[in-house]
Amino acid sequence: QQQVKQSPQSLIVQKGGISIINCAYENTAFDYFPWYQQFPGKGPALLIAIRPDVSEKKEGRFTISFNKSAKQFSLHIMDSQPGDSATYFCAATSAGGTSYGKLTFGQGTILTVHP
Amino acid sequence: GAVVSQHPSWVICKSGTSVKIECRSLDFQATTMFWYRQFPKQSLMLMATSNEGSKATYEQGVEKDKFLINHASLTLSTLTVTSAHPEDSSFYICSARDPTDSYEQYFGPGTRLTVT
Repeated sequence: QQQVKQSPQSLIVQKGGISIINCAYENTAFDYFPWYQQFPGKGPALLIAIRPDVSEKKEGRFTISFNKSAKQFSLHIMDSQPGDSATYFCAATSAGGTSYGKLTFGQGTILTVHP
Repeated sequence: GAVVSQHPSWVICKSGTSVKIECRSLDFQATTMFWYRQFPKQSLMLMATSNEGSKATYEQGVEKDKFLINHASLTLSTLTVTSAHPEDSSFYICSARDPTDSYEQYFGPGTRLTVT
């Protein structure tokens, strides 16, 4: 019930293309869904996050789409650039209960953007 | 945004010795910090939740006597790996919860531990 499943494991996109990464969760108590970007040898950095009261959130080239009924959310990177090449993790957490504030991470997606 | 630092950024130690990793919130007070471990090409696995002034809460399967966590102040949490073995070699990352937001966590840059 605590799992967050992420796909694909790896993704290769041409510069200027759209990168799409998907995540699915089981725990209906989750109410915060962040995406993190991690470069090799660095800690993860928050990219964008969404709460289930909205179906989409956009910040620059990054968009989260959220489907509460399907318990799925996805990250879209528009106009992908070589500098976007990194590992992306989705995560989920809830503000209450025993999971308070604990992030459950997806397995990660290695994105490679070719110039 | 808020800044979390870790020290050292990398450390090599001999098997059987102990090593301490520090996690500091530089511009905010963090009552709660988290410690994660990440093996190569894998996701982050939560090891424990560190609360200032109280005992840490460890995740299932994490040996609390091996991974000692101390959160003695609102800006500092430490993780001590005791009697380290080569299988403890990993990337250790801490995060600190934003005191003004129940959800937001700020991550440190990580510490690469290699046990020889």
